[in-house]
Amino acid sequence: DAKTTQPNSMESNEEEPVHLPCNHSTISGTDYIHWYRQLPSQGPEYVIHGLTSNVNNRMASLAIAEDRKSSTLILHRATLRDAAVYYCILPLDGGATNKLIFGTGTLLAVQP
Amino acid sequence: DTAVSQTPKYLVTQMGNDKSIKCEQNLGHDTMYWYKQDSKKFLKIMFSYNNKELIINETVPNRFSPKSPDKAHLNLHINSLELGDSAVYFCASSPGTSGGKQETQYFGPGTRLLVL
Repeated sequence: DAKTTQPNSMESNEEEPVHLPCNHSTISGTDYIHWYRQLPSQGPEYVIHGLTSNVNNRMASLAIAEDRKSSTLILHRATLRDAAVYYCILPLDGGATNKLIFGTGTLLAVQP
Repeated sequence: DTAVSQTPKYLVTQMGNDKSIKCEQNLGHDTMYWYKQDSKKFLKIMFSYNNKELIINETVPNRFSPKSPDKAHLNLHINSLELGDSAVYFCASSPGTSGGKQETQYFGPGTRLLVL
């Protein structure tokens, strides 16, 4: 099973960009990289996912290294509402079982 | 409109009791899940159902019994509650039609269970 490694915590200032790294050196060629986040006292929510190319959506951007062994979630302008635990997740079994295996994630603190 | 809803939001009960948590999704999804988040905040999958059929059962004690009356509902019944069952339980759903590609999952707000 592919595993991910993330820093336990990071801090950012409001309205500044945030780069959240994730290492996944054992990733398989067909594994998508998924990011979810969990705001305080809420359920996890989907942020973004990608395979090889960098991806953008209204919430964030995902930059994927050329060798796919690492990726970075980019929040372009952090707000206080972005304070959450961010999880970088790879699928089990190529995604066939649709299991999400949550690690410890990165706790992002956003200072005003 | 809430996409994935759970009831109750809070549940406080005595050891040994039997309780149920209900989950409903209005997204038209075929697959639903239950996750448990313990006091250390580890989030772990318990079960998944696709079109009312059990797909994943993650070595959960048989005191936990999921029931899916239809594909929009997945309830979790817990018998003989123990102190260690205290946790936040999240329901989730996904389309269930991707044919092997990991699907985005949509989570409910959680049910906070406290066993005294």
